[in-house]
Amino acid sequence: DAMVIQNPRYQVTQFGKPVTLSCSQTLNHNVMYWYQQKSSQAPKLLFHYYDKDFNNEADTPDNFQSRRPNTSFCFLDIRSPGLGDAAMYLCATSRDLGAGGQEQYFGPGTRLTVT
Amino acid sequence: SQQGEEDPQALSIQEGENATMNCSYKTSINNLQWYRQNSGRGLVHLILIRSNEREKHSGRLRVTLDTSKKSSSLLITASRAADTASYFCATDAYFGNEKLTFGTGTRLTIIP
Repeated sequence: DAMVIQNPRYQVTQFGKPVTLSCSQTLNHNVMYWYQQKSSQAPKLLFHYYDKDFNNEADTPDNFQSRRPNTSFCFLDIRSPGLGDAAMYLCATSRDLGAGGQEQYFGPGTRLTVT
Repeated sequence: SQQGEEDPQALSIQEGENATMNCSYKTSINNLQWYRQNSGRGLVHLILIRSNEREKHSGRLRVTLDTSKKSSSLLITASRAADTASYFCATDAYFGNEKLTFGTGTRLTIIP
């Protein structure tokens, strides 16, 4: 089945130790998104790739970076995790043809714990 | 901010009853979507309603949209225990915008 896969599902890292979360998709969608979701809150968009074009949200900390080496894969790098970065990180994809408003397909998420 | 607010924040009902959740947003939209999130999981798309539509149905789901009031409602009929989840509305602000802004969510609990 076509899907969005996130690895690992659970990640524990130490304060200040870089960590990378990965996302892959078999949907061949052109847009990939990274969201941060803290407990009982709405998902907050960090950035997204429209094809190869990177789009950063204005309030996304510089501590967060992303890479999309090809259509199928996207990575979230947290350069120096702080305790406040503990959250669920959700990857999503959509097939956008220029009109916007398409449904997004989400992966199961990676829960990040910072010790 | 475009972010929607959902009401109520939490809702508990008996299995078999209908559940209604409301979403309000601040600026004009192109489309509004509803998503479900089971605890500790990703979001699943439920239904999309366009700004020129007023009502849409999908199985046991009924969504309404009132653009004059900047509000939407999601009705789940004949609720089941498996409907226990958080429900989020999400809007895209203009035609061609591939980004969504999510509301604060309603936590629905179905009591067997």
